[in-house]
Amino acid sequence: DTGVSQDPRHKITKRGQNVTFRCDPISEHNRLYWYRQTLGQGPEFLTYFQNEAQLEKSRLLSDRFSAERPKGSFSTLEIQRTEQGDSAMYLCASSPRRIAGANEQFFGPGTRLTVL
Amino acid sequence: QQPVQSPQAVILREGEDAVINCSSSKALYSVHWYRQKHGEAPVFLMILLKGGEQKGHDKISASFNEKKQQSSLYLTASQLSYSGTYFCGTHTGANNLFFGTGTRLTVIP
Repeated sequence: DTGVSQDPRHKITKRGQNVTFRCDPISEHNRLYWYRQTLGQGPEFLTYFQNEAQLEKSRLLSDRFSAERPKGSFSTLEIQRTEQGDSAMYLCASSPRRIAGANEQFFGPGTRLTVL
Repeated sequence: QQPVQSPQAVILREGEDAVINCSSSKALYSVHWYRQKHGEAPVFLMILLKGGEQKGHDKISASFNEKKQQSSLYLTASQLSYSGTYFCGTHTGANNLFFGTGTRLTVIP
């Protein structure tokens, strides 16, 4: 399977705990995105990497959220001191570098986070 | 910057046609269309670029009017497999997409 993979698929945690999610993009894709999706809504952009550089962060991304892509391959998204409002599906997507704005994004299956 | 989609939901019988609209208040560089089935990740359908164009993909096609900052997705002769939530994602020149709230399409036999 050469698609985007995410791990874990489901995570249940207690309020105040830290959680970390992993995303493995399609191997030749240098762009990687994190989105958050809540029930009945479209994906909301969180952050974007081009290779290992984090080039853009949404205002939605509070200081409890941090993302890395250390070698320009897989990425991790960490949420510290989780809150119930963090419960959502966290989606990762990757895209190849072509014409700006013309890059289709391929989504992974997502990690569903439930904060109790 | 979130685009507005209409309708919010539509129910079709197999073989009927549907149009889903997406409009933005910002100048658009491109529009991306995705379909998401319940519990699954969004699946890419097509991109339309600035310059105003139409694209087709089997019986699913789309148009992009950059002057009006609008795009429409056309589904013809709908099949049961078309059921799902359709999202438009708009690209305004930054690196990320802004997704609409989606249009839930249900195709019944």
